[in-house]
Amino acid sequence: GEDVEQSLFLSVREGDSSVINCTYTDSSSTYLYWYKQEPGAGLQLLTYIFSNMDMKQDQRLTVLLNKKDKHLSLRIADTQTGDSAIYFCAENGSGNTGKLIFGQGTTLQVKP
Amino acid sequence: GAVVSQHPSRVICKSGTSVKIECRSLDFQATTMFWYRQFPKQSLMLMATSNEGSKATYEQGVEKDKFLINHASLTLSTLTVTSAHPEDSSFYICSATTGFSYEQYFGPGTRLTVT
Repeated sequence: GEDVEQSLFLSVREGDSSVINCTYTDSSSTYLYWYKQEPGAGLQLLTYIFSNMDMKQDQRLTVLLNKKDKHLSLRIADTQTGDSAIYFCAENGSGNTGKLIFGQGTTLQVKP
Repeated sequence: GAVVSQHPSRVICKSGTSVKIECRSLDFQATTMFWYRQFPKQSLMLMATSNEGSKATYEQGVEKDKFLINHASLTLSTLTVTSAHPEDSSFYICSATTGFSYEQYFGPGTRLTVT
């Protein structure tokens, strides 16, 4: 079945890099996503990567995809206190239905 | 661009009453909208997929008679929680996609509390 796993918590100091990891099971996923959720708010699409790519960089964000190991990571450079939030990894699975399968979310705590 | 709004942002209702939540795509036409439910400190659980002009497709275990979904136009979908009970208290989030892109945009969520 489809499953997405993430570690639940990550704590870093302001200015350090953060790396949030995710594993997924559905090898037929064509897109993998990273969303950010601040307390009491909806999800903000941060970035996504097509499954035939290994890496995508967007300003402070770098996404790495290891399709063989079904491993996705999000690196945030120069992490700021405003980056504190829950980060969700998601895949679009098979069937092209538009449905997303989410991980449990990783809470990122940035200490000043 | 790609803004999705939800109304209301918070609602408190009495047990047994019905509550309607609106999801609107403000600057694009959404061929498909999705409704999710999120419990505290948990991930999003997909409830149903809503396509404009057709019946919603519900996920397994979601009662379609309790959670009525209407997608009457390309910019509006509504979720009505009928005969609400305290266990229906949750954070409900909608998302929308144009169908031409793999980007899915989320609304800010609606906090429902049933007393």
